[in-house]
Amino acid sequence: QKEVEQNSGPLSVPEGAIASLNCTYSDRGSQSFFWYRQYSGKSPELIMSIYSNGDKEDGRFTAQLNKASQYVSLLIRDSQPSDSATYLCAVNGGGGADGLTFGKGTHLIIQP
Amino acid sequence: DGGITQSPKYLFRKEGQNVTLSCEQNLNHDAMYWYRQDPGQGLRLIYYSQIVNDFQKGDIAEGYSVSREKKESFPLTVTSAQKNPTAFYLCASSKWGQSGPEQYFGPGTRLTVT
Repeated sequence: QKEVEQNSGPLSVPEGAIASLNCTYSDRGSQSFFWYRQYSGKSPELIMSIYSNGDKEDGRFTAQLNKASQYVSLLIRDSQPSDSATYLCAVNGGGGADGLTFGKGTHLIIQP
Repeated sequence: DGGITQSPKYLFRKEGQNVTLSCEQNLNHDAMYWYRQDPGQGLRLIYYSQIVNDFQKGDIAEGYSVSREKKESFPLTVTSAQKNPTAFYLCASSKWGQSGPEQYFGPGTRLTVT
């Protein structure tokens, strides 16, 4: 059974600080890793994808992947109140067009 | 405007009735997916289709059925055999991104069965 684990939170971060979200996965053969943002009552929105070990930066977001430790993280710099949402980590085991395995999400609160 | 549409946004049904949820995309994506989300939970995969006229069961396919007669459409039927059908249902489609497949979601359908 493939598993993706996240701390459910809530994670409270002051406005302007760096928010750090973490995720571990059980399937060592996993190929693709994703972070989705989900506002309350809405559908998930893809914000980052990462496939290789190391860091990938896009604007205020940085995704970090360590396949040896089976660990994925998302850093949000200069956190804004609009970043308050649930962040879902998702993993694609096969690397192809198979479905994703999701964690339960981390609820992030940015305090003004 | 390209995108994924799901209808209706809210759906109410009586126990014992089958119900079909619509999902349409005009993004020319080959693969489509159905997930359900329960309160405080992550998404769980119901069915997916990588190509027209072919589909595979996901982790929780029991009590559901799908069809893929057109590239643009992937309807989901929730049958009376599904024990706990009340949930938020999300349809997605995928394209090949920089290094791999990326899934994008429609707005979802909230199904309530009483």
